[in-house]
Amino acid sequence: GAGVSQTPSNKVTEKGKYVELRCDPISGHTALYWYRQSLGQGPEFLIYFQGTGAADDSGLPNDRFFAVRPEGSVSTLKIQRTERGDSAVYLCASSLGRDTEQFFGPGTRLTVL
Amino acid sequence: AQSVTQPDIHITVSEGASLELRCNYSYGATPYLFWYVQSPGQGLQLLLKYFSGDTLVQGIKGFEAEFKRSQSSFNLRKPSVHWSDAAEYFCAVGSYGNKLVFGAGTILRVKS
Repeated sequence: GAGVSQTPSNKVTEKGKYVELRCDPISGHTALYWYRQSLGQGPEFLIYFQGTGAADDSGLPNDRFFAVRPEGSVSTLKIQRTERGDSAVYLCASSLGRDTEQFFGPGTRLTVL
Repeated sequence: AQSVTQPDIHITVSEGASLELRCNYSYGATPYLFWYVQSPGQGLQLLLKYFSGDTLVQGIKGFEAEFKRSQSSFNLRKPSVHWSDAAEYFCAVGSYGNKLVFGAGTILRVKS
């Protein structure tokens, strides 16, 4: 079956611009996670959705970052007023529910010039 | 707070040699532990996981890991490495809500 997909695969933007990153989870997975992976580091947790609601957004670095999952499937990570330090690979994962295996997408590489 | 330490940034082994990648964690309760592999341009793939029970866990691609509570370790092993195993390996610990805390990764190079 289809895995987790993320679009775009690459995004280049200028400092100060707004970007949206999309994640399509595996069909039927109720849990969805966003992580950020900076160069030379492991992924860092950003936010976790159970269904439509954000169950844990403790990893969002500041209020420029926001994520939604309005119908409990596709999720969009939104970054306002991008900064060069936001450059990273943004990973999405989904799972059947809590305490089950997370399946990761290929990521979106964001470059802020 | 939960944390994961992977002491080795890079490891080089000869093809056919055995492999052990180290992972130490800090967690207040019984941890959920994972090893993932990431190849260039690809997403993270789960190799194996430990939730409870037998402390020696078998995974895909011939990998295994052993949970040692007394040492707070979850080291990954493979008896004979193949050139295709060259990749970056991440150890992770699960916490409330199943968010994962990852180590910084170990890059494995395989010499032919």
